[in-house]
Amino acid sequence: DTAVSQTPKYLVTQMGNDKSIKCEQNLGHDTMYWYKQDSKKFLKIMFSYNNKELIINETVPNRFSPKSPDKAHLNLHINSLELGDSAVYFCASSQNYRDNEQFFGPGTRLTVL
Amino acid sequence: LAKTTQPISMDSYEGQEVNITCSHNNIATNDYITWYQQFPSQGPRFIIQGYKTKVTNEVASLFIPADRKSSTLSLPRVSLSDTAVYYCLVERSGSARQLTFGSGTQLTVLP
Repeated sequence: DTAVSQTPKYLVTQMGNDKSIKCEQNLGHDTMYWYKQDSKKFLKIMFSYNNKELIINETVPNRFSPKSPDKAHLNLHINSLELGDSAVYFCASSQNYRDNEQFFGPGTRLTVL
Repeated sequence: LAKTTQPISMDSYEGQEVNITCSHNNIATNDYITWYQQFPSQGPRFIIQGYKTKVTNEVASLFIPADRKSSTLSLPRVSLSDTAVYYCLVERSGSARQLTFGSGTQLTVLP
């Protein structure tokens, strides 16, 4: 059973398009995260939700908007995609916002042409 | 939040003990240190976490000196399958959760 799943695994799109990445966790966790990993493998937190409430909102362009319909899902919508958005995006979850052990999804490789 | 610094890469041979050090000079009182392992095309996986002194689990040990400005992940008797990128993470828990990953250390285990 997949604990944290993401769809799609690969996403290739043109500049200016709008796309979404979906994340689901079946661990019963309260807290979910989105990370961006660039080509140099640097891993940076973008957002975190706890029980559908935004608790971490790092400095990312407004084109990125997270949405949490329920605590098991955290989706990432990106408007007007740019070349620099090309990266691997990871979703993660933890039991609660005080729990430091995060479980990561397999990642979504986004390529903007 | 504390910035972390790790070696870019390390090589080792099978069966050896490997120590990877992470420096975090500006660590705060309520910060924890966590290490993750990442294989190619996979998400990071939690290895170990600590606050001070020494923590040991079934896969690794984590040594944190009294000043907590650095930490050392120790992998005993590595095998080829331990070849991966290892990330040091400083986490500030609580209502203002903050997370800073290091740049990662590529460990290559040679036969």
